[in-house]
Parts: sequence; C-alpha cells; structure tokens
Amino acid sequence: GENVEQHPSTLSVQEGDSAVIKCTYSDSASNYFPWYKQELGKGPQLIIDIRSNVGEKKDQRIAVTLNKTAKHFSLHITETQPEDSAVYFCAAKGSSNTGKLIFGQGTTLQVKP
Amino acid sequence: DTAVSQTPKYLVTQMGNDKSIKCEQNLGHDTMYWYKQDSKKFLKIMFSYNNKELIINETVPNRFSPKSPDKAHLNLHINSLELGDSAVYFCASSQTSISPLHFGNGTRLTVT
Repeated sequence: GENVEQHPSTLSVQEGDSAVIKCTYSDSASNYFPWYKQELGKGPQLIIDIRSNVGEKKDQRIAVTLNKTAKHFSLHITETQPEDSAVYFCAAKGSSNTGKLIFGQGTTLQVKP
Repeated sequence: DTAVSQTPKYLVTQMGNDKSIKCEQNLGHDTMYWYKQDSKKFLKIMFSYNNKELIINETVPNRFSPKSPDKAHLNLHINSLELGDSAVYFCASSQTSISPLHFGNGTRLTVT
C-alpha cells in the first residue's frame, strides 16, 4: 500500500543553523506533497506544499524540494529560530481522487537558543 | 472565529462507555475528515466526508461511526470504548478532496 517514510525522527539544531527533513514515498502516482507543523496541544498546520509539476518551492525561510524520479521530497528551514521548534510532518496524496493524505512519522525539531 | 473547532478538548471515560466528539468548520469547505494520532504522533486517516457523503472509510472498527448532519459538521461517535482507543482525534476540513487540510486542535481521549 501507499507509504511515506520520514527522517530523522528527532533533530536538534542551534539557533541560526539550517534544518533538513527528508521523506520518501512509495506511490509513483502521488502528485501533492504538503508539510505540516504541529505545536504542542494544537493541530497540524500547513506550512508549505508542492505539486508534482514543480521541483522546488520557497516561502521566506522555508523551502521544499521534490525529486519525482527518486520519489523523495525534503523540507529546508534556514536561519532557524526557537519558535520553529515543533513536530513536522510530511505527507503525500495518493493517486486516487479521494484526497487521502498519507503522513510520515513526524520529526521533532528542537532549536536551541 | 476558529476555523475548525472540535469539542470536547479532553475526554476521560471508562472502558465500555459510549462517547461522541463534535466538529464544526466555518470555512465553507465541502470535505471533512477524522484523523487519529497515536502516542507516537503517527497521524492516520479514519473517515472522510464530501458534502455529507462518506468517501473514505479506512479499516476502523465499526464501533466508530461518523455522522455528518450537514457539510459544516462531522461528528464521531464511539461505542464500547476500549483502552486502545486512547489517542488524540483530529477533525479537519478542505475546500475540495484535493485541497490542503485545515485541522482542529484535537480531542484527547483517555480510556481508563
């Protein structure tokens, strides 16, 4: 079945450094790849997404890259700040039109001041 | 002005009881979902409704029954609660079935 693998499970960086989280997906027909940030006690919030016809997308300090051939996509956060500390989830939408998102296992990012 | 709101935020109950979680969205979205997040933070879809019609029904025990009285509401009723049902349940909505999801803040269910 459809599967999304996310690494690392935990990531600790110093404030100002960059953070990279990587995901691979199994369904080659997947065409939509969102990233969500979940803060403690809250629901996941969309921070950036990319569709399969685009290789890279950037929004201020956040960027996502997609390699369809290798079936992997990555989240890059530059100039990290303590408020970036949270759990980050990648997801991939399967090939059907039902909109079922398959989530990765999550990465707990800690940014040390 | 909360976009997706679910109640209650916390729910503590005993095994065997029946409980409901309510969800409402004021975004005018057509599609609503229930996700379960386990103790390891893993998010898994349970159900999805589009315009009050069930479109996704994952392998969830039939003790779980979603109900959508209108497209702005999707409630989750759970019968005969078990210890393994303890988790955080998230409601979400999207404009269409292929649009980004907007999540509520979750209901933490604890079954003792």
